[in-house]
Amino acid sequence: NAGVTQTPKFQVLKTGQSMTLQCAQDMNHNSMYWYRQDPGMGLRLIYYSASEGTTDKGEVPNGYNVSRLNKREFSLRLESAAPSQTSVYFCASTGSFYGYTFGSGTRLTVV
Amino acid sequence: DQQVKQNSPSLSVQEGRISILNCDYTNSMFDYFLWYKKYPAEGPTFLISISSIKDKNEDGRFTVFLNKSAKHLSLHIVPSQPGDSAVYFCAASAPGNQFYFGTGTSLTVIP
Repeated sequence: NAGVTQTPKFQVLKTGQSMTLQCAQDMNHNSMYWYRQDPGMGLRLIYYSASEGTTDKGEVPNGYNVSRLNKREFSLRLESAAPSQTSVYFCASTGSFYGYTFGSGTRLTVV
Repeated sequence: DQQVKQNSPSLSVQEGRISILNCDYTNSMFDYFLWYKKYPAEGPTFLISISSIKDKNEDGRFTVFLNKSAKHLSLHIVPSQPGDSAVYFCAASAPGNQFYFGTGTSLTVIP
């Protein structure tokens, strides 16, 4: 099925560990985004990539890095996980101004 | 500072009645607005949009109203159905900028 695929769906990390969240879309969209969702905070933009080869910081970029590997793939890396990064992470893509397609999310717990 | 606010965390409505979800924003430069629907363990899905040149947009049972002077938009669902039970997020964007999301309203439609 066409859409945005995120892996893994669940992850538990110890403080200080690193990991990469993977995201791929097969809709030939130019723009891709990483959001985190926390209770009472809505969806907050971490990083985005307007097109292949470009990345920019969003609202809450600290503690994260991203790579736009190609047009399909946009990964999010936590170099040294902290409990404050416990959240649900959503990847999204869009080919137009008229709304995003979201992945199903990665639920990350940092202990 | 939250630029998009959904002040009602939850709403319960009887099946067949109207559901009204509200959203307020602070940035007068916002000119494009979206509503997303989210079921548990799934990513948000696009529901309906409106641009600032309109004050109403309708799609089946869903209608979004925009009051620019009050910086307020609302989503009306008529008639409400049990399958509409979900979390609804509004989002707003200024030209060329990222979308800012509200904190969400959890709608429960009671059969």
